[in-house]
Amino acid sequence: NAGVTQTPKFRVLKTGQSMTLLCAQDMNHEYMYWYRQDPGMGLRLIHYSVGEGTTAKGEVPDGYNVSRLKKQNFLLGLESAAPSQTSVYFCASSSWTSGSSYEQYFGPGTRLTVT
Amino acid sequence: RKEVEQDPGPFNVPEGATVAFNCTYSNSASQSFFWYRQDCRKEPKLLMSVYSSGNEDGRFTAQLNRASQYISLLIRDSKLSDSATYLCAVNLNTGFQKLVFGTGTRLLVSP
Repeated sequence: NAGVTQTPKFRVLKTGQSMTLLCAQDMNHEYMYWYRQDPGMGLRLIHYSVGEGTTAKGEVPDGYNVSRLKKQNFLLGLESAAPSQTSVYFCASSSWTSGSSYEQYFGPGTRLTVT
Repeated sequence: RKEVEQDPGPFNVPEGATVAFNCTYSNSASQSFFWYRQDCRKEPKLLMSVYSSGNEDGRFTAQLNRASQYISLLIRDSKLSDSATYLCAVNLNTGFQKLVFGTGTRLLVSP
């Protein structure tokens, strides 16, 4: 039981390049989330998904797209990377079926640098 | 006013000390509260959920004060390994499982 995994762990992009971050969870959770964490800003929600095939915007969605084609996977795409997207990206998941349905469990993160 | 606020610290305490952090929230309708621990360059890990009656897990005690809209985390008999950043998280009661996180309180426990 790996929990939440993320790939890649590190990436350096040049401005204008694109990439996809992959998040996978093996806990059969319904909800999945993408956050970014910047110094002094805390965790900010980028996009989230309430189930397979559904996605919604969070607090800071501009410049990002997401897809949830399978329940266990949540992809975050950057179509044209900008230096302002240099950050640490965390994926999280949670389940609505458990008694503690709001508990979110995080992946190890992806450190992205855009030059 | 920020939705969730924490004192960034750092709180510098010696081993064995008792230390407490508070976290204030602005939405009085919030229903769920959590404390996460985050080590440097690692992901946040759930430390405790905070229930209305308060809850305790070993050296850690979490309490909720709805009247003043804050939650607290008390750590007794601090260990060097407790050094980390502690994030509080609050759900916005929007009908969806969306949490708002504080920016964290840094704790440094010294020998």
